[in-house]
Amino acid sequence: GAGVSQSPSNKVTEKGKDVELRCDPISGHTALYWYRQSLGQGLEFLIYFQGNSAPDKSGLPSDRFSAERTGGSVSTLTIQRTQQEDSAVYLCASSVTSGKNNEQFFGPGTRLTVL
Amino acid sequence: AQKITQTQPGMFVQEKEAVTLDCTYDTSDPSYGLFWYKQPSSGEMIFLIYQGSYDQQNATEGRYSLNFQKARKSANLVISASQLGDSAMYFCAMRGGGTSYGKLTFGQGTILTVHP
Repeated sequence: GAGVSQSPSNKVTEKGKDVELRCDPISGHTALYWYRQSLGQGLEFLIYFQGNSAPDKSGLPSDRFSAERTGGSVSTLTIQRTQQEDSAVYLCASSVTSGKNNEQFFGPGTRLTVL
Repeated sequence: AQKITQTQPGMFVQEKEAVTLDCTYDTSDPSYGLFWYKQPSSGEMIFLIYQGSYDQQNATEGRYSLNFQKARKSANLVISASQLGDSAMYFCAMRGGGTSYGKLTFGQGTILTVHP
């Protein structure tokens, strides 16, 4: 079956612009996660959604970052007023549930470059 | 707070030999899960193996095994009979309970290079 998909695969933007990154999880997966991978910070958790529960936003680095998940499926990560330090690969993952033994399946990522 | 430490930035191994990638962790949660992921140069994250904190036996998946030493808080990945295609970045990760429930905390990664 289809894996996690993300779009766009690459995004180049100017400092100060807003960007939206999209994630389509594996069908039937109730948990969805966003991570950021950068050279200086490694892999960082940003936010996760589990079913209809309130999302865990504890990893969002600033209030310029927000995410939503519509209809329990597709998720959009929005970064407002982008800064150069936002440049990174943004990875989305999904799992059957958020249980500890459920492996997370990752998408190919969106490479964001802020000029 | 949870923490994962991978102390080997890079490792080299000869094809067909075994290699161990180190991972230590720190958590106050009594129940947690440990994962290893592989990230080739193409960038996708590939799940390799999982170990639960209450599992009595070390996890194995084909050529991958996890050497779990709970008292030492270590979860080393052992790759047997290395292949050229094993060259990649390897991440150890933990998933815990309480406020850490659901999300993965990753180590800094180890770059493995397999020589022919």
